[in-house]
Amino acid sequence: EVQLVESGGGFVQPGGSLRLSCAASGFSFSSYAMSWVRQAPGKGLEWVSNIGHSGSSTYFADSVKGRFTISRDNSRTTLYLQMNSLRAEDTALYYCARGPYCTSSTCYPFDSWGQGTLVTVSS
Amino acid sequence: EIVMTQSPATLSVSPGERATLSCRASQSVGTNLAWYQQKPGQGPRLLIYGVSTRATGIPARFSGSGSGTEFTLTISSLQPEDFAVYYCQQNDDWPPITFGQGTRLEVK
Repeated sequence: EVQLVESGGGFVQPGGSLRLSCAASGFSFSSYAMSWVRQAPGKGLEWVSNIGHSGSSTYFADSVKGRFTISRDNSRTTLYLQMNSLRAEDTALYYCARGPYCTSSTCYPFDSWGQGTLVTVSS
Repeated sequence: EIVMTQSPATLSVSPGERATLSCRASQSVGTNLAWYQQKPGQGPRLLIYGVSTRATGIPARFSGSGSGTEFTLTISSLQPEDFAVYYCQQNDDWPPITFGQGTRLEVK
């Protein structure tokens, strides 16, 4: 069974930093691209960042580009999101999700999700 | 950026009836269109990918259809556990990967 468990959320002042982690199990982590998706309180889903299976390719939403860094440790089957220069508008539940990825025949979106870790940015 | 627009924002349907949710893309997304279900306090769950393929374990009452820029999620006979928020999402042309704003399916 695929499991994704996020951690590292908390309360931080504007301008501060946090590092989120996502511990993955139940699948061959190093074979899959991974993403972070966030959800502000009472709002919809917003894609934040994606990293390729080897870590060599990364992508970011414009809203976080230059402030957030995504990385992974395939030996530890863990995904990370380093968040710097945090703003009030970064307050959200941050989900780790597997994908999107393609096989030889089919492309898949986010096919497994964690339960999320809450980040609150406030003075 | 491809903008995804869902309608209606809220849909009120009685249990046992059919629900039809719509999603429109600002440009063609080919077959890279997915639907998710989210219940309170839970992470999203993948229902449909590739426009019409049900994800593992998803009941047959859920079906997806459409092409190009217009897509539909149909729930043929609503069960109590189906009342939730539903999101469409495209990963045809990214970054960014974009979601619709969601449709809340509530009990009539």
